[in-house]
Amino acid sequence: EDQVTQSPEALRLQEGESSSLNCSYTVSGLRGLFWYRQDPGKGPEFLFTLYSAGEEKEKERLKATLTKKESFLHITAPKPEDSATYLCAVQLPTGGFKTIFGAGTRLFVKA
Amino acid sequence: DGGITQSPKYLFRKEGQNVTLSCEQNLNHDAMYWYRQDPGQGLRLIYYSQIVNDFQKGDIAEGYSVSREKKESFPLTVTSAQKNPTAFYLCASGIAFGGARDTQYFGPGTRLTVL
Repeated sequence: EDQVTQSPEALRLQEGESSSLNCSYTVSGLRGLFWYRQDPGKGPEFLFTLYSAGEEKEKERLKATLTKKESFLHITAPKPEDSATYLCAVQLPTGGFKTIFGAGTRLFVKA
Repeated sequence: DGGITQSPKYLFRKEGQNVTLSCEQNLNHDAMYWYRQDPGQGLRLIYYSQIVNDFQKGDIAEGYSVSREKKESFPLTVTSAQKNPTAFYLCASGIAFGGARDTQYFGPGTRLTVL
């Protein structure tokens, strides 16, 4: 069964304390992996798309990496405004290009 | 100002009623999607549409219906057959379904509560 698992469920950091969020997947094939940020009560905001193992993308304090089995979202020197839920999604190459979402990691950054 | 709009932001429904959630986009995207989000769970696909006048069921289509009469609009009706409709509903659109640039962009969501 195709599955996307994010860990940890929740992460509490002090401002400036760097860390990583994990997205592991067991799927029949990978067409693309997406990272989104979601604030409470709002729609997900697109961050990155990764297509192949070894690919990396950066945006401000965020860096996303991809291997054959998992993706990491590295957060360097986070600030309180980085507090949000981060969602990972995998798009399959078959079956109508179905996209499977993980449950998300809730990040709390304390000043 | 381009984007995806959803209305209303909050919706309350009595049991046995049908309600319709609106989704409009001015991004000129071909593909549109409806997802349901419940606490502690990933987004689940309800319906998707690749082109006007065509749509497909997702994983949890039972109790829902959609239409795609215009490229810009993809309304979702939650019928009385949906047994547990209280949830956060998200509409998304993409440049080309399954195409090279197929990132999905989301609207602000509608929170539906059954009274």
